[in-house]
Parts: sequence; structure tokens; C-alpha cells
Amino acid sequence: AQRVTQPEKLLSVFKGAPVELKCNYSYSGSPELFWYVQYSRQRLQLLLRHISRESIKGFTADLNKGETSFHLKKPFAQEEDSAMYYCALSGGGAPVVNKFYFGSGTKLNVKP
Amino acid sequence: DAGVTQSPTHLIKTRGQHVTLRCSPISGHKSVSWYQQVLGQGPQFIFQYYEKEERGRGNFPDRFSARQFPNYSSELNVNALLLGDSALYLCASSLARVGQLRNQPQHFGDGTRLSIL
Repeated sequence: AQRVTQPEKLLSVFKGAPVELKCNYSYSGSPELFWYVQYSRQRLQLLLRHISRESIKGFTADLNKGETSFHLKKPFAQEEDSAMYYCALSGGGAPVVNKFYFGSGTKLNVKP
Repeated sequence: DAGVTQSPTHLIKTRGQHVTLRCSPISGHKSVSWYQQVLGQGPQFIFQYYEKEERGRGNFPDRFSARQFPNYSSELNVNALLLGDSALYLCASSLARVGQLRNQPQHFGDGTRLSIL
């Protein structure tokens, strides 16, 4: 069964410290993985997706199929990074086109 | 671009009633999905519609139903409301197409906060 696990509900770091938000998944096929972010009083929005291999706002994420992980990393956290982060997996097979599975989220708190 | 719009923003109902939630996708997006987000949890998939047909359904009872209109807007209906239906209901649209790679991101609305008394 498809599952996304984010083991940390809350992660607190000081400004300038490295950040790693963990995400592990369970999926029988070839996964498409995403990170979504929700800032205070804003809607859920896409941060990055593994297929693009991009860096957004200094964040990167590498898909590790051997460890079934897609951890989100940033070398130097900023206070404006404080938000709720969700890892999501797209899957489900035919005829479903775009079924997303979300983790329970990690709240990142960057302290000054 | 107005983004995904949902109405109403808040709704209070009592047990046993029914509710209809509405969603307008981003212009050009033909796929609409519905999610339920209970406090402290991530969004949970309810339905996906594409070209007015149901393409996927999550583990929700038959009390939950949805439809998509010719203009690609969508409604989510919930009958015989239970206290456990209290949640934030999110609508998302995407450019996903049948047969296309599953790498099209979902674009979310602000949600409808449903409270059951």
C-alpha cells in the first residue's frame, strides 16, 4: 500500500543552522515525489518536485530509491522558512491520473 | 490568475444534514481533486475528476459523492453528516491528463472549514 511517513511533527532550529526534514515512502511502482509548504495563513503550495531536480528557496531534495526516502534539506535556515511542510507521493495506477498521498507534515520553527 | 477558488470558506452543520462544497479550478485545468484534512494530519485523497468523469476514489464511504461540470468546476456532496466529518476540505486542480506522467503538481485552494455540531 502507498504510504508517506514524516517522522517528526516539529523541528526547531536556529537561524543559519542546517535543516533536514525527513520523508520516507512506501510505493510498489516508480514514485513521483513532491514537497509542499504551507506558510501561516496561506494555502498549501508546491515547493519542489523530484523530477525537476531543482532548488527552490535554497531547499533541495534527493530521491533515494534504495532507502525509499525523499528528505528535504537546506544548508542555512532562515526565519521565513518557518512553516508546515508536507511530503507527497503521486501514484495509484490506471485509471487514476493523479492521486496524491500526503504525509502528516512537519512543522519547522526557525528561531532567531 | 485567480487560482483555485472554493466556497463557502466556513460552514457549520448538524449531524444528519447534508452539505455541498464548491470548487473552481485554475483556468485551463481539467482535473479536480478533493481532499479531507483533519486537524494534525495531512490531506487525505477523496476523489479525482477529469473531463467530468470520476478517475479515482479514496477510502471514504458512499455518503461522499462529487461531480464535475462542463466548465470543469466541481461539487463535493456529503450526506448524513457525522461528527467525524468535521475537517478542512481542500480542492486541487492540475494539468494532469490520462496517460500522462504522474508528475503534474496539484494546485490547492484555501479550503472549506466544515464543523459538525
